[in-house]
Parts: sequence; C-alpha cells; structure tokens
Amino acid sequence: EPEVTQTPSHQVTQMGQEVILRCVPISNHLYFYWYRQILGQKVEFLVSFYNNEISEKSEIFDDQFSVERPDGSNFTLKIRSTKLEDSAMYFCASSVSDIWAYEQYFGPGTRLTVT
Amino acid sequence: GIQVEQSPPDLILQEGANSTLRCNFSDSVNNLQWFHQNPWGQLINLFYIPSGTKQNGRLSATTVATERYSLLYISSSQTTDSGVYFCAVDMNRDDKIIFGKGTRLHILP
Repeated sequence: EPEVTQTPSHQVTQMGQEVILRCVPISNHLYFYWYRQILGQKVEFLVSFYNNEISEKSEIFDDQFSVERPDGSNFTLKIRSTKLEDSAMYFCASSVSDIWAYEQYFGPGTRLTVT
Repeated sequence: GIQVEQSPPDLILQEGANSTLRCNFSDSVNNLQWFHQNPWGQLINLFYIPSGTKQNGRLSATTVATERYSLLYISSSQTTDSGVYFCAVDMNRDDKIIFGKGTRLHILP
C-alpha cells in the first residue's frame, strides 16, 4: 500500500540554525500539507500546498517557514532560524482530489528538537 | 472556525473490555477522520467516515452528520490499542483538517 514517507525521523538542532524537513507524498496525490504537534498537545495545521503554490497557511506559519516542491516527488518544510518553541513533531500529509474522497494520509512524522 | 470536542479525555480499561469514544463537531463537514497515535508518535489512519458506519476488525465507527457527532468503537481491547485517538474534520474539499484534543486510552494487561 502506498504511504507518505518523511526524513529524518528525528532531528536535533541548535537554536538559530536552519532545518529542512523532507517528505515524499503518495505519488498520485495532488494536495500536500504540513502539520505540527507540540508534545502533549493536539495536532495543528501549518500549511497546504497545491499546484506549486501555498493554498492556505495558519498564523503559526510565519516568515520563518517556507515550503517547496523541488521536484516531482519531494515536498519540504524549511525553518530558517529555529527557536526553542519550534520543538515539535512535524507531520506531512497528502490527499488526492476526486469526487469520492478527500482522505488525508499522514507520514510517520519528524521529531524536531531545538536546543 | 469549526470546533471539535472529544470525550472522554482519558480512559483506562482492562484488556478485553469494550470502549466508545465520541467526537462532536460544531458545523457540517465534508471530511471526518479517526486516527490512532501510537507510543512512537505516529498517526495511523483508522477511518475516513464523513457519514455512515464502517468496520475494520475490532474497530468500527459511526458518523451521524445531521447530529454532528461521530463514535469510535473498540471491542475486546488489547494493550496495543493504547495511545491517543484523534478525530479530525474539515468543512471544505481538500482543506486543512482540524483535530480534536484526543482521547488518551490506556489498556491494562
């Protein structure tokens, strides 16, 4: 069964450093998302991406964040200058747009620890 | 925006027991999904169920869209069922999904 994959599974970085989280969505999917979950809290939406542009972003997704689909398979989230409060689990998700279902499929997550 | 409330927040059961988890939402939805977050933090898709009833092994789910709630049933619980169960909804096609705060389920051996 096709699945969303994410790398790395765990990333440790120092405050102020740039990080890039990588995702490979399911191959025939057209919509891509990033969510995050701070430890012990609920999962929050960050950004959605369709047709090579951001379709929606939350207030969390400020100028420190950016997304890119550099080729036909990868989808990346970049945090330019990490802060302690960016420590969280980051989930990538994708969905296929059709008239029958809009189910989102989630990757296993990248645990980001900012020290 | 749409509100998602899950109950109970915590549930402790003995292995073999049955459980019902509830998700209430404040507006009409096009998408409702149930997830299980395992102890490693992974989100496992359980059901895509904007309406109706589905079953998968010991798990089943029912969504009554007109009354704005969904129920997740777990029968004959096993210790591997432990974790957090999230309900997530969205109102529009191909839109972000809004998560509830989850129900933390702990199954005792």
